[in-house]
Parts: sequence; C-alpha cells; structure tokens
Amino acid sequence: GAGVSQSPSNKVTEKGKDVELRCDPISGHTALYWYRQSLGQGLEFLIYFQGNSAPDKSGLPSDRFSAERTGGSVSTLTIQRTQQEDSAVYLCASRGDTQYFGPGTRLTVL
Amino acid sequence: GQQLNQSPQSMFIQEGEDVSMNCTSSSIFNTWLWYKQDPGEGPVLLIALYKAGELTSNGRLTAQFGITRKDSFLNISASIPSDVGIYFCAGAGGTSYGKLTFGQGTILTVHP
Repeated sequence: GAGVSQSPSNKVTEKGKDVELRCDPISGHTALYWYRQSLGQGLEFLIYFQGNSAPDKSGLPSDRFSAERTGGSVSTLTIQRTQQEDSAVYLCASRGDTQYFGPGTRLTVL
Repeated sequence: GQQLNQSPQSMFIQEGEDVSMNCTSSSIFNTWLWYKQDPGEGPVLLIALYKAGELTSNGRLTAQFGITRKDSFLNISASIPSDVGIYFCAGAGGTSYGKLTFGQGTILTVHP
C-alpha cells in the first residue's frame, strides 16, 4: 500500500476488556512507532521498534500496555483490562526519510 | 521528561492573512519537525529542520530552527481556507529517526 494503515479505525469496548490494535507500516520501513493522542492534546510517545533491536518501551504508561512486531512488519498494540482513561486515538508511524503516520484507531472505553 | 510549549493554542484569522506559531523547549533538540493534522487523519509532515539556525520554506510555509536549538517557529503566508487544521511542532533528540516529543498543537481557523 501507499501509506501506513491501521485497524480498526474505531473501537468501542467495555472497561476491563482487552483490545488489540493493528498497524501495517509502509513496505520496507524498518522503524515503527506507536503514539497516543488524547482529546485536544499532542501526541504522546509509547513505543519504538527498530529492526531486530530491543524495542524502546519507555513511553508505555503501565504494564497493561504491550506491543509486538512480527517479522519486522506488522505491529500489534495490546491494552489489557482497559480503563476509561485509555480512551484516545492511537497512532502508528513508520519511518523512511522521516516518520509517516497512519490515520489512527479511535479507542473508546465505556 | 522533555516538554514542548507551543503557542498560540488557537488562532482565528481571515483568509489572506499571515500566521505565525512557535514552540519552545526546556531541552535541546537536534531535529525540529512541523506537522499538520486534519480531522480523523494522522499528522502529515510539513517541514523538517536539521540544523540550528536553518530557515526552510515549503511553498507558503516557512520554518526556522532556533540558534539555541530550544525553539522553532512556523509561518504561513497568505492563508487560504484549506490551511484549517491543527499544527504540531515536534522535536527529536537525535535525528527524526528517534522518538518524537510533540507540542500541544495550534488550532487554526481561517474565515473566508
């Protein structure tokens, strides 16, 4: 595809449930990032994958958040036991000359 | 942690006017980036700055990397309705390869 794609575009879940968000980066991009954007706020860094190196997890807000990247391509961000404060838009980016963002997944936790 | 202060938070201007927004940081960045975000979409890169003092233009957009490496501004000249959106500054400690720290955004409204 031409750009970064994310699925689903919207996700509504109940408090306490687990959710998985998917990111398909631009083909050939070795670096992949996850960010979170709360309403009316800037983007908050969550995690960064670069090739086969250990990911930079320094932005993950709690141990309920985890991410993996399989085969150096697709990435999945998992949030366990979701809380209402997890409601936000989750954005994925992959890097070529610079970071290109996907459209995001809007997560609503009821 | 690092924080970026972006101002103004919002701007309401008439079509044809020029716009200026800026970001300041308590820490040094080696790369400054400016993004625009439309509703329901991810941010799109407008301008990237890699060297202190650098002044770069992209059409009606001009951005500068402050000499202290702690600030940057973005100017938009002769605004048009499609300039409406949220503008974000972002800084990286190394190159744009690293994780980005974002400002809070400037919401721009352009009245025809």
